[in-house]
Amino acid sequence: DGGITQSPKYLFRKEGQNVTLSCEQNLNHDAMYWYRQDPGQGLRLIYYSQIVNDFQKGDIAEGYSVSREKKESFPLTVTSAQKNPTAFYLCASSIVLAGHNEQFFGPGTRLTVL
Amino acid sequence: DAKTTQPPSMDCAEGRAANLPCNHSTISGNEYVYWYRQIHSQGPQYIIHGLKNNETNEMASLIITEDRKSSTLILPHATLRDTAVYYCIVRVAYTGNQFYFGTGTSLTVIP
Repeated sequence: DGGITQSPKYLFRKEGQNVTLSCEQNLNHDAMYWYRQDPGQGLRLIYYSQIVNDFQKGDIAEGYSVSREKKESFPLTVTSAQKNPTAFYLCASSIVLAGHNEQFFGPGTRLTVL
Repeated sequence: DAKTTQPPSMDCAEGRAANLPCNHSTISGNEYVYWYRQIHSQGPQYIIHGLKNNETNEMASLIITEDRKSSTLILPHATLRDTAVYYCIVRVAYTGNQFYFGTGTSLTVIP
């Protein structure tokens, strides 16, 4: 069954702690993305990666870090420098091709910082 | 900068066609129009995309005006399961594969 998995679905952390969100895909997609969504808002791009060992900052990268050591995996670390980390985090992947690039999304992780 | 404008909310009677408009007046010639939808607390789902011709698939139809400055997503027979937020997105060319999601249109299908 091909798809994108994110774990866990719900995550609670104390303020000041770093936390890493998992994203794995078995679609053989080169590109992967992390978005953040706040209540009643659209998605905002945090980081994206078009190839292994390379990634680019999105619009709201401050306070976040990523790695792309394997094609299948693109973990996101929410650091203590992120001022308002409580949000719904979505991971996506796509092929890299001129023209149609449908993004496939995971189910999301809802992070609550107490 | 989402580059698209959508009404914040719409209602539609179950069984009727839902027509969701989107303005993208600054669209470039090589930019596609994509539609995604997001059911509450789930990841967005791809619906359809187009460049300049009208498109139809098993989920919906996409009508793009001749000047490409606006488009309409049509769900021909809306069901309660179509209640969701619908995002109209213009794919930014030459900057990788970034998609810019605005706030979308919250569609409520009424029984």
